[in-house]
Amino acid sequence: SQQGEEDPQALSIQEGENATMNCSYKTSINNLQWYRQNSGRGLVHLILIRSNEREKHSGRLRVTLDTSKKSSSLLITASRAADTASYFCATPTGGGNKLTFGTGTQLKVEL
Amino acid sequence: GAVVSQHPSRVICKSGTSVKIECRSLDFQATTMFWYRQFPKQSLMLMATSNEGSKATYEQGVEKDKFLINHASLTLSTLTVTSAHPEDSSFYICSARGMEGSGGYTFGSGTRLTVV
Repeated sequence: SQQGEEDPQALSIQEGENATMNCSYKTSINNLQWYRQNSGRGLVHLILIRSNEREKHSGRLRVTLDTSKKSSSLLITASRAADTASYFCATPTGGGNKLTFGTGTQLKVEL
Repeated sequence: GAVVSQHPSRVICKSGTSVKIECRSLDFQATTMFWYRQFPKQSLMLMATSNEGSKATYEQGVEKDKFLINHASLTLSTLTVTSAHPEDSSFYICSARGMEGSGGYTFGSGTRLTVV
């Protein structure tokens, strides 16, 4: 079953704007990961935030984690057309050995 | 960084035939590999966990006799879709986790299977 629910399901913005995607999960976690998937391709690991961290940055990416609300957000600043992709949150489950993915957000960045 | 190579990227087969998909870790040893299935515009659903030298662990509802997994070495796992039917048409993706057990997972580029 899906561990994470993401919203919005789809997001369309103009280049230069910021994009925010949210993920909610159900069980306790050790960490939460965000992945990007270009259409018809595999997934690329973007960032991992541990349960004792509240915020993490990587380039134009900013991830927050609120374990009390069981939620995380991914912010992409100054978006580019090349950021167009699907973004998934994922959490380790089954004893931490396997990943369970959220429903994903399809981001479209228009010129 | 770690690279996982998945082949083929696309395959079309006739109903009733079998198709083998390979997943190789190129520059690291993967004791565990994972196989996912993804339908259009949907998320990834874990099918099974492939363990080197032992039997795969299948998720609930996944037919182990239909989706045969072999993980004979630390760098190769294969998924064979046996007696394929049109409903098996999907995007299959593998991922691997290194021996150090780090939090990051590396994914293959996926295989688009079309059964006609």
